[in-house]
This record gives sequence, C-alpha cells and structure tokens, in this order.
Amino acid sequence: QPVLTQSSSASASLGSSVKLTCTLSSGHSSYIIAWHQQQPGKAPRYLMKLEGSGSYNKGSGVPDRFSGSSSGADRYLTISNLQSEDEADYYCETWDSNTQVFGGGTKLTVL
Amino acid sequence: EVQLVESGGGLVQPGGSLRLSCAASGFTFSSYAMSWVRQAPGKGLEWVSAISGSGGGTYYANSVRGRFTISRDNSKNTLYLQMNSLRAEDTAVYYCAKRTSPYQFADYWGQGTLVTVSS
Repeated sequence: QPVLTQSSSASASLGSSVKLTCTLSSGHSSYIIAWHQQQPGKAPRYLMKLEGSGSYNKGSGVPDRFSGSSSGADRYLTISNLQSEDEADYYCETWDSNTQVFGGGTKLTVL
Repeated sequence: EVQLVESGGGLVQPGGSLRLSCAASGFTFSSYAMSWVRQAPGKGLEWVSAISGSGGGTYYANSVRGRFTISRDNSKNTLYLQMNSLRAEDTAVYYCAKRTSPYQFADYWGQGTLVTVSS
C-alpha cells in the first residue's frame, strides 16, 4: 500500500509562486497521483493528474497558474502568481488495488 | 455538467445506523466507479469505500469493513452508503466522488453531508 507524505503547511506572498511536494513511499515511486484543492468550508476540487514522467492533465476550469512536475518519488504542484483564493488545503491522492490513498494535506497560506 | 448531491446525514447515537445517498447527473453513471471519502472535523481526507460501475465490485477501508455497505442503483443514478454500528470516530463530512476511468482517483466531488455520532 503506497503512503503519501506532504508538509503540513506552506506560505508564500501574493503574486509570488509556491511549490508543494507530495512524496511517494519506497517502492511506489512510479505511481500516478492526483492533486486536489480544498478551500475553507468547501468540498475538495480536482486539480490535475500527474505522472512520474512529469506529464500532467488538469481538470476542467483549472487556471493556467497551476502546473505539475515530478522528480523520482516526488510529485510537485506549482502555483504561480498566487491569488488570495489559492489559500486552501492541498491534498495528493493515489491508489492501489481499488484502494484510494490520500496524503495528509498541506495548508497553504497566502501572505 | 457533472453534479453529485449527497443527502442523509444527521445526528445519530453510537451503535445506530444511517443511510447516505448521492444523486449523480451530467455523466453516464453506470460507466464509472464511485467512492465515498470522509473528513473528520479539522482533519484530512480519508477514503471509505468504492464500488465498480456495474456494482459487482465493492471495496472498503479497514476502519469500516463489516459495518458499512456501499451500493448503487444505476436506474436511479444514485450511490448509497449504509452505515451500521456507528462510532464516535465515524463523525465526519462524507463526500461522494466520481472515479476516473481507467484510473481510480476522484475527478469530481459532491458538496458533502455531515454525520455526527453522539449521545
């Protein structure tokens, strides 16, 4: 069963860029993941699928400011030109044998 | 437009039962697996259960296996979660989510329904 590790918090200034990390456990470094955003008081929203190659496919309506990349077991979500509405919790997700697994989430604060 | 609308949450005593529903629209419901994911107050997301498009395959997290039952009615475009022997630690917002195909992650989420288990 894969395990996803995320930093609990991150912060960046309005208009700047931030790179969030999701790390796959040993033996699972090739796994595809998904990134989700959860704004305060709202349901999660699917952002993108991200492969180990770094190739990503975004969900409908996801702004161009959001992009993904990969390096080894690490999967990244980069948000450019940070806006106030980007302040949210970000979760990565993967799966194995019909079981879905979520990372603990990163709380992003926009300063 | 894909829409998922949960209902059936509420306050229930420990040991009690509750049935959640999720009405789906905007896609061919029977073609996609569906999941339930929950979020305890102030905590992260936890996968609970999933069901194949036909309903022939069901899957559960260890924390709910034997107590919860997932099902679907493809004629009504509706997903269900029957929750029995509820415990305080089952208190959470329960989200239904559509799974992608052929992958198994969620690509659409409902707005959630709150289940509170308390005496």
